[in-house]
Amino acid sequence: QSVLTQPPSVSAAPGQKVTISCSGSNSNIGYNYVSWYQHFPGTAPKLLIYDNNKRHSGIPDRFSGSKSGTSATLGITGLQTGDEADYYCGTWDTSLSAWVFGGGTKLIVL
Amino acid sequence: QVQLQESGPGLVKPSETLSLTCTVPDGSISRYYWSWIRQPPGKGLEWIGYMYYRGSTNYNPSLKSRVTISVDMSKNQFSLKLKSVTSADTAVYYCAGLVTSLKWFDPWGQGTLVTVSS
Repeated sequence: QSVLTQPPSVSAAPGQKVTISCSGSNSNIGYNYVSWYQHFPGTAPKLLIYDNNKRHSGIPDRFSGSKSGTSATLGITGLQTGDEADYYCGTWDTSLSAWVFGGGTKLIVL
Repeated sequence: QVQLQESGPGLVKPSETLSLTCTVPDGSISRYYWSWIRQPPGKGLEWIGYMYYRGSTNYNPSLKSRVTISVDMSKNQFSLKLKSVTSADTAVYYCAGLVTSLKWFDPWGQGTLVTVSS
């Protein structure tokens, strides 16, 4: 059971928009910055978003991040088949004194 | 782009110690909190712990009693030792750099599969 809660999967058609939610608590998302990672199985996870809403170098502006209270959201517009991957949110948990990840969300581009 | 490379045995027997090494580019060892993260088959990412080159460490409370992370600056490497392994420790193990503000991981290694089996 992950400390951060993400939906197991989301799906949308090419060209559409999708959002992936990440729910936590005051000791993690509510107090610290959130980052998002894209992971294609068998490869190195890739940093997409840091500091809640800043795109990492080279990440297209189709990807966006936001945070409100104890939840964060990753948005992807103009979906492409190449975006099919697993997406993880993560942040520091001050109470646990540990880094925590969400359980991951599989994006399916129909 | 900083490139990391994990290395170590792909098969470990139950009750033995899992040992992995991550090689980092020359000159980067002092720039990050060097971390290990794992992904069991069919599951999500789990942070194992980190070490800073000056010696400070922090481990996942659920693994703390079995984990040691160390850094060898002369070799530009950091290592993971996980003792008394069971099948639950079978996973792809990634090394990664955690920025010193503790706010995100980048770079990451490609990952190495470690299977615990007799």
